[in-house]
Amino acid sequence: AQSVTQLGSHVSVSEGALVLLRCNYSSSVPPYLFWYVQYPNQGLQLLLKYTSAATLVKGINGFEAEFKKSETSFHLTKPSAHMSDAAEYFCAVTNGNAGNMLTFGGGTRLMVKP
Amino acid sequence: DGGITQSPKYLFRKEGQNVTLSCEQNLNHDAMYWYRQDPGQGLRLIYYSQIVNDFQKGDIAEGYSVSREKKESFPLTVTSAQKNPTAFYLCASSTSQARETQYFGPGTRLLVL
Repeated sequence: AQSVTQLGSHVSVSEGALVLLRCNYSSSVPPYLFWYVQYPNQGLQLLLKYTSAATLVKGINGFEAEFKKSETSFHLTKPSAHMSDAAEYFCAVTNGNAGNMLTFGGGTRLMVKP
Repeated sequence: DGGITQSPKYLFRKEGQNVTLSCEQNLNHDAMYWYRQDPGQGLRLIYYSQIVNDFQKGDIAEGYSVSREKKESFPLTVTSAQKNPTAFYLCASSTSQARETQYFGPGTRLLVL
């Protein structure tokens, strides 16, 4: 079984401030982890993916995430928020099950204040 | 350009009516997926297909049906048995390799008249 918990359904930061979006996972086997971003009324776009090659993963738009096995976490960060980062962010996990099924967290809506 | 298209962008359903959402991909992916998204919730899997002429139920398949007659196409029918169909529907595809990235279409918003 696999599951994902995203702490904080809404996060608000000021422009230029650090962005930290939290994701904790549960998986019975080594997981692959994903962060997706969704802008209003659009589909999901892949930000980054953890594949066990490196624990610190760099993605698009200046985002990065660090896999911490001991904490079962995969938090998403960005050093300096931009207004264009305002969106909903989803963490997802797959454990290589048949069908390549993803399990998604509930999402975190990021708001950026000028 | 390779990608996933979904149509229509908005769809209105009357009581007792079946409606079909289209999903087409030209990425040459074997696997395709349908998700439902409700406000404030994550994505929930409705159906998935790993190969033509084969598909499996996801977590919330009741009231929905699919077909996979072509590799490129995976239409979703919302039947009259689905009593709360108002949601945002997302189609995705991936290669058949384990742990591969799923790529998403732009979505269809279904509303009930």
